[in-house]
Amino acid sequence: NAGVMQNPRHLVRRRGQEARLRCSPMKGHSHVYWYRQLPEEGLKFMVYLQKENIIDESGMPKERFSAEFPKEGPSILRIQQVVRGDSAAYFCASVGTEGSPLHFGNGTRLTVT
Amino acid sequence: DQQVKQNSPSLSVQEGRISILNCDYTNSMFDYFLWYKKYPAEGPTFLISISSIKDKNEDGRFTVFLNKSAKHLSLHIVPSQPGDSAVYFCAVPIKAAGNKLTFGGGTRVLVKP
Repeated sequence: NAGVMQNPRHLVRRRGQEARLRCSPMKGHSHVYWYRQLPEEGLKFMVYLQKENIIDESGMPKERFSAEFPKEGPSILRIQQVVRGDSAAYFCASVGTEGSPLHFGNGTRLTVT
Repeated sequence: DQQVKQNSPSLSVQEGRISILNCDYTNSMFDYFLWYKKYPAEGPTFLISISSIKDKNEDGRFTVFLNKSAKHLSLHIVPSQPGDSAVYFCAVPIKAAGNKLTFGGGTRVLVKP
């Protein structure tokens, strides 16, 4: 049973480009969370999605960031017009039922040059 | 507004000795707490949890203690092993927000052989 899969593992973008981060949850999981870890900091919640629905996006910056979890396919975190401050590790987690521990992927490390 | 705090950013301990990691929280309504372990370049992995109806939960070398009156929990690792060297996060699910996890800032543990 594959765990949470994130790709790419590393992503380098120039300022102003778009970054697309993908997350395939564990089989049977329909709840996906995205977290961001800035250098030397803890994990900060960004967004919580269920299939085709954004449940809580209170941690998402209001501009340039968007997320989706379509009926088919992985969840996508999209960052438009990236800036240096977006450089971070982005982690996706999934859970089958609310209240169970989250299972995390190994993250995508985004570097903006 | 940090709801979960880990005041010690790092801890160094000799192999075979006890590691004690601390975590404080602000909301007395929190009733479930988790510890995650994170190695470099990997996602956090669930380690151990405790419900507020208990004051102690043990799993092998890992024990979590909960002091509700002090709003404090601690993770004990006995005996510490070099493979325990990692960053440890305490986390609380926020029920009002789809059980999204709020993490402390983490404590980096180094176990010296």
